[in-house]
Amino acid sequence: EVQLLESGGALVQPGGSLRLSCAASGFTFSSYAMSWVRQAPGKGLEWVSIISSGGNAYYADSVKGRFTISRDDSKNTLYLLMISLPEDAAVYYCARYTYSNSPNRYFDYWGQGTLVTVSS
Amino acid sequence: DIQMTQSPSSLSASVGDRVTITCRASQSISNYLNWYQQKPGKAPQFLIYAASSLQSGVPSRFSGSGSGADFTLTISSLQPEDFATYYCQQSYSTPFTFGPGTKVDIK
Repeated sequence: EVQLLESGGALVQPGGSLRLSCAASGFTFSSYAMSWVRQAPGKGLEWVSIISSGGNAYYADSVKGRFTISRDDSKNTLYLLMISLPEDAAVYYCARYTYSNSPNRYFDYWGQGTLVTVSS
Repeated sequence: DIQMTQSPSSLSASVGDRVTITCRASQSISNYLNWYQQKPGKAPQFLIYAASSLQSGVPSRFSGSGSGADFTLTISSLQPEDFATYYCQQSYSTPFTFGPGTKVDIK
């Protein structure tokens, strides 16, 4: 059974750093791209970042230069290092990204989310 | 960036109703279009990929159609467990944008 378990969400001051983690199990983690998607309170889903199985990373413009996605395949864990602004307050979900033959590309498994609050 | 819109933003329906949600992309995305369902306080659940392919385990009352820039999600006979918010998402190019969501609630 595929499981994704996020952790690391906390209250952080504006300009402060925070590292989120996502522990994966039930699949060959190293073979999959992994992504972060966030949801501000009462708002919709916003894609944040993705890292390929080979380590190539892509970011939403809203977080570029402030967030860093990484992965440790030996630990089956995905990370997101954040330099936080107030608008980054949200529940952060990690999601597995599956792609096979185009156009079969989608987020098929999601974690339960971890809450980041940004306030002084 | 590709912008996604959805209509309506919300709707009220009864159990047994047929429900249709529309999603539009700001440019052609072929059929690189996915649908997700989210219930309050829960993570999104994956429903449909490639515009019309049902994810394994998803009830057959859900269906998707469309290509290019215009897509629809249809629930043929709404069930109590289907009251939720539905999001479309394009996987054509990064950033992988989501639509703003359509909330389906009980009439």
